[in-house]
Amino acid sequence: QKEVEQDPGPLSVPEGAIVSLNCTYSNSAFQYFMWYRQYSRKGPELLMYTYSSGNKEDGRFTAQVDKSSKYISLFIRDSQPSDSATYLCAMSNQAGTALIFGKGTTLSVSS
Amino acid sequence: GAVVSQHPSWVICKSGTSVKIECRSLDFQATTMFWYRQFPKQSLMLMATSNEGSKATYEQGVEKDKFLINHASLTLSTLTVTSAHPEDSSFYICSARWDSQETQYFGPGTRLLVL
Repeated sequence: QKEVEQDPGPLSVPEGAIVSLNCTYSNSAFQYFMWYRQYSRKGPELLMYTYSSGNKEDGRFTAQVDKSSKYISLFIRDSQPSDSATYLCAMSNQAGTALIFGKGTTLSVSS
Repeated sequence: GAVVSQHPSWVICKSGTSVKIECRSLDFQATTMFWYRQFPKQSLMLMATSNEGSKATYEQGVEKDKFLINHASLTLSTLTVTSAHPEDSSFYICSARWDSQETQYFGPGTRLLVL
């Protein structure tokens, strides 16, 4: 079993839809959880960062962490064509250490 | 926000040659830099962790004599792929952080194609 599992998609939604992206993990020591957005042939861009369990909201984006289920989510409200990208979840057990990434989910938002 | 640059953005080389990739933190001092590799439709895989002034720590399966990492200053780390072969063709991405920062900031990546 891989440490971080993420459905690669692709996920296609119409503009304005609510998007739900998820990752599961096996290492209960993970405490730091991140979501990155990666456009084609570009480096990842940090979207959301959460420590331990709970919710965090930033504009149209909401990140949720459920450590008891080893499950994290990213919700995108009012999705836009510019949100079309690959979304990577990442996590670590200590602050500032190397990240373990999911495979990424490719999202396509059509206008 | 924190900005990390990489140079070159892409490189094509012949098999057997060496290629150097630079990673720079432009507006902060990076005490730690990470090097990742990403194959098509795959996730980022950590190759090595580099702390300024120290030898890099390589992940299992990554040949340290083939992938030379130098982190000589707080704003620059270099990755040299020695005697590159076609199987080394990949997208190489660095990230950087400073001491009190819990997250990492990624560079734009360098696409390497070895013919």
